Amino acid sequence: DAGVIQSPRHEVTEMGQEVTLRCKPISGHDYLFWYRQTMMRGLELLIYFNNNVPIDDSGMPEDRFSAKMPNASFSTLKIQPSEPRDSAVYFCASSHQMLDSDGYTFGSGTRLTVV
Amino acid sequence: DAKTTQPPSMDCAEGRAANLPCNHSTISGNEYVYWYRQIHSQGPQYIIHGLKNNETNEMASLIITEDRKSSTLILPHATLRDTAVYYCIVRASGGSYIPTFGRGTSLIVHP
Repeated sequence: DAGVIQSPRHEVTEMGQEVTLRCKPISGHDYLFWYRQTMMRGLELLIYFNNNVPIDDSGMPEDRFSAKMPNASFSTLKIQPSEPRDSAVYFCASSHQMLDSDGYTFGSGTRLTVV
Repeated sequence: DAKTTQPPSMDCAEGRAANLPCNHSTISGNEYVYWYRQIHSQGPQYIIHGLKNNETNEMASLIITEDRKSSTLILPHATLRDTAVYYCIVRASGGSYIPTFGRGTSLIVHP
């Protein structure tokens, strides 16, 4: 298995532009998670899905952030409009169930820089 | 939600055992202890988990105290590649509980 695949690896955009981050979870995993990591706040959970349905989006910072999972093999995290304070590394993770014997599997992340 | 407390940083000589402590004094009976690590510029990686018994796999050993209020992750022969941030988290079985990763312990393995 190729693991959790995220794209792009790096994204540099100007303030006010729309940014879309993509994630392909491991085939057969029922749960998908989006995390954000910054020096100030560490690793924060933004939203998670179960069987393509958003379950908890309480970590989404504001209405500029939205996430979708149109099918079991693809999810997007969109920021519109982007702001410099959104600069961070965004990780996607998936797991087979809430208590998976191997824990979550994380992707390599997308480093977002908003200038 | 059970919280965990870890030292912010530790260091270890290459080839020696690295013992990383974690305090989870408010852990409840159905919560597992999980350990992850994050090597620079990569996503967190699962290491090991346990409920009450000690566990060992090819990466590490997990020692959980009898009262389950603390645990220790042991890397028996640390290498330079083990330099990373190590996170101790607790997760309940089932339900909708999502763990938080906290700040973890930054382990530096030096030659």
